[in-house]
Amino acid sequence: DAGVIQSPRHEVTEMGQEVTLRCKPISGHDYLFWYRQTMMRGLELLIYFNNNVPIDDSGMPEDRFSAKMPNASFSTLKIQPSEPRDSAVYFCASSLFNSAQSMNTEAFFGQGTRLTVV
Amino acid sequence: AQKITQTQPGMFVQEKEAVTLDCTYDTSDPSYGLFWYKQPSSGEMIFLIYQGSYDQQNATEGRYSLNFQKARKSANLVISASQLGDSAMYFCAMREVNTGTASKLTFGTGTRLQVTL
Repeated sequence: DAGVIQSPRHEVTEMGQEVTLRCKPISGHDYLFWYRQTMMRGLELLIYFNNNVPIDDSGMPEDRFSAKMPNASFSTLKIQPSEPRDSAVYFCASSLFNSAQSMNTEAFFGQGTRLTVV
Repeated sequence: AQKITQTQPGMFVQEKEAVTLDCTYDTSDPSYGLFWYKQPSSGEMIFLIYQGSYDQQNATEGRYSLNFQKARKSANLVISASQLGDSAMYFCAMREVNTGTASKLTFGTGTRLQVTL
């Protein structure tokens, strides 16, 4: 299995530009998560999907952020317009619900996208 | 209140020695899961070990073991026979089943471990 695949690995963009981050979860996983990691705030959950449906987007910082999951094998996180304070590492992760334990298995993370907004 | 507390921002350990990384958690949910992840300097998040709240025995995975003390709400990671490659950030995380967050992982702030010769 290739694991969770994110692209691009690095993105440098100018303030005001639109940025789109992409994620392919592990095949068969029914949950997909977007996290943001910064030195100041650590790892923050932005949004997660279950079976392609957004379940909780309370972590999305502003309306400038949006996420979609058009099918089970692809998700995007878009920032429009981007700002310097959006600079961070963005992780996508996926997991599978374990009915015996009534919770998800461990989340498998992608390599992350390091976003720099100048 | 913090759900996950890691009080050690940084730790040093000599190669081949054992080291314990502390993690305490806060929940009123009787059903939860605790996870440890490793983040090396390359940036990826690597799952290490899992402990369920109802598990009778402490979890072990190779050189990693979890010292689970339920009454104290602690889930410390023990790494035996440390290797230079263990140098990384280590994150403790929790999922709660009955609070509506069975899918969400809440992370601590991490502990940076440095293994020395």
